[in-house]
Amino acid sequence: AQTVTQSQPEMSVQEAETVTLSCTYDTSESDYYLFWYKQPPSRQMILVIRQEAYKQQNATENRFSVNFQKAAKSFSLKISDSQLGDAAMYFCAYPDTGRRALTFGSGTRLQVQP
Amino acid sequence: GAGVSQTPSNKVTEKGKYVELRCDPISGHTALYWYRQSLGQGPEFLIYFQGTGAADDSGLPNDRFFAVRPEGSVSTLKIQRTERGDSAVYLCASSAFGTPYNEQFFGPGTRLTVL
Repeated sequence: AQTVTQSQPEMSVQEAETVTLSCTYDTSESDYYLFWYKQPPSRQMILVIRQEAYKQQNATENRFSVNFQKAAKSFSLKISDSQLGDAAMYFCAYPDTGRRALTFGSGTRLQVQP
Repeated sequence: GAGVSQTPSNKVTEKGKYVELRCDPISGHTALYWYRQSLGQGPEFLIYFQGTGAADDSGLPNDRFFAVRPEGSVSTLKIQRTERGDSAVYLCASSAFGTPYNEQFFGPGTRLTVL
């Protein structure tokens, strides 16, 4: 079974600074996707960014980018120019091709200091 | 159109009671998922529907949990003889095709509290 590990329960960043959230995963597959979801206090999970494993280029969405290291099975999220609205729980997720569902990490709570 | 909606947003019940949680997916989405999120944890898979049928219910913790999607749209998660350990946020998600690579769109969840 696939596993997803987020080793940082909490992170803090100053407004306008950059922060990196870590994620590692375990899989025997060669072609797959990885996701980062954001969950604000409203509880609604929102997709932040998606990476295709067969693509060499790291995905980027505005202020959000990933550092994908396939050999190391590492998938970190970098948030640049942090804003107060970025404060939330962030979950790394891997789609289980067998179960057709997402396997989530335990999450990282990001605080943004003004 | 509208996103995924879930009702009620909060449900408080007593141990041993029966509850139903409802999910309205995005119109046209064939795949629907239920997850359970305990405090301080990531969501955990419960069941996946493709159309009207439960394609994978291997995440349901025991036979007190059951879910239906009779017309391939709205889904209801049913919990019998609730226990305090069932207290959690129940999240519903839908996606257009149900492949592992499609984005799943989540609802705001139902917070279930069993006293």
